[in-house]
Amino acid sequence: AQTVTQSQPEMSVQEAETVTLSCTYDTSESDYYLFWYKQPPSRQMILVIRQEAYKQQNATENRFSVNFQKAAKSFSLKISDSQLGDAAMYFCALIPRGGADGLTFGKGTHLIIQP
Amino acid sequence: DTAVSQTPKYLVTQMGNDKSIKCEQNLGHDTMYWYKQDSKKFLKIMFSYNNKELIINETVPNRFSPKSPDKAHLNLHINSLELGDSAVYFCASSQDWTQQYNEQFFGPGTRLTVL
Repeated sequence: AQTVTQSQPEMSVQEAETVTLSCTYDTSESDYYLFWYKQPPSRQMILVIRQEAYKQQNATENRFSVNFQKAAKSFSLKISDSQLGDAAMYFCALIPRGGADGLTFGKGTHLIIQP
Repeated sequence: DTAVSQTPKYLVTQMGNDKSIKCEQNLGHDTMYWYKQDSKKFLKIMFSYNNKELIINETVPNRFSPKSPDKAHLNLHINSLELGDSAVYFCASSQDWTQQYNEQFFGPGTRLTVL
């Protein structure tokens, strides 16, 4: 079984600043995938970034990057140059490789962007 | 073009009724899922199907019965609705749960309100 923990229920950042959302996880699997999903008020689940656990290089997608620390089981999301459209719930999720278990989600972090 | 669609988007009904939520994906994916998002935004896997066959059935009351007439559709039927069933239900699909990389694409969600 997997667990995903997001310890920040809410974060606030000024527009154009940088913010980091925390995520820790626990799994007995040796190979797995980690994701950050964004859920705006429209409630659509949007994939932000993904990381394969066997890759040491941190994933980057434009303004979004992760800090993946496999030994510490940590997977934080950094958003640079925050924009008003980044305001949303952010969910960290994990799935074992080849796992039919479905995604295991954290409880989410509500990100507020201050203009 | 909608990749994963759900109908209806909103469903309001009385306790004790039976209702269905439909899900269709046009991505040619083999695996489909149902997730439940509760009032605190926590997302949890309910079921997964691969090529019309049930792979996962998490601890879900047997009032919930998924049905997959073909691999593009996974409908969720709920009998004897209870107040606690009020939630947002998300359908998702992925290419194949055995694939190396398993991105899941989510539908827009169905907000179910039981009165």
